[in-house]
Amino acid sequence: DGGITQSPKYLFRKEGQNVTLSCEQNLNHDAMYWYRQDPGQGLRLIYYSQIVNDFQKGDIAEGYSVSREKKESFPLTVTSAQKNPTAFYLCASSSGRIVDYGYTFGSGTRLTVV
Amino acid sequence: AQSVSQHNHHVILSEAASLELGCNYSYGGTVNLFWYVQYPGQHLQLLLKYFSGDPLVKGIKGFEAEFIKSKFSFNLRKPSVQWSDTAEYFCAVNEGTNAGKSTFGDGTTLTVKP
Repeated sequence: DGGITQSPKYLFRKEGQNVTLSCEQNLNHDAMYWYRQDPGQGLRLIYYSQIVNDFQKGDIAEGYSVSREKKESFPLTVTSAQKNPTAFYLCASSSGRIVDYGYTFGSGTRLTVV
Repeated sequence: AQSVSQHNHHVILSEAASLELGCNYSYGGTVNLFWYVQYPGQHLQLLLKYFSGDPLVKGIKGFEAEFIKSKFSFNLRKPSVQWSDTAEYFCAVNEGTNAGKSTFGDGTTLTVKP
């Protein structure tokens, strides 16, 4: 079945460390997105990519980095510069066609800084 | 910047009651509108979407939403809720020219009592 796979499901990081969250899709979708979900704050966009080798900052990109070297993969690195990284991270994809902007979501990665 | 408001953070209903969840957005141009649902322990999934045409759109599981352009609203409705509708509901908006990039509301948690 087609879908989005996020790994790991739970991740613990020590302060000062960078960590990379994986997101892989086999839907042949052009566009991929990273959102952060905090309790009571909904989803906030970190980065998005509409095509391979291109990506744009979202509303809360500071302290994060991404790459899009392959269509199916969009990893997110949470750097030590991110002041409050403990959160639930969601990856999503869409076909990119204007008539089909609905997202398919992964199951998320819960990151905790210890 | 685009903003999306969901007025109710937590709604509690008895089975068979009618449901209406409010969603208002701020962008004055062409928009694509979405409702997503997250059932306990499951991925976020698309419930319904409006792109153009009939402002009353129907989604899965008996949900519908009405786009009222003059009120910048896209309220979600269901005539008779079931216990299985217990979930968190998110409204999301794409600006027409901002291909694929969605702004989400803070979410509404619906609890249906059996």
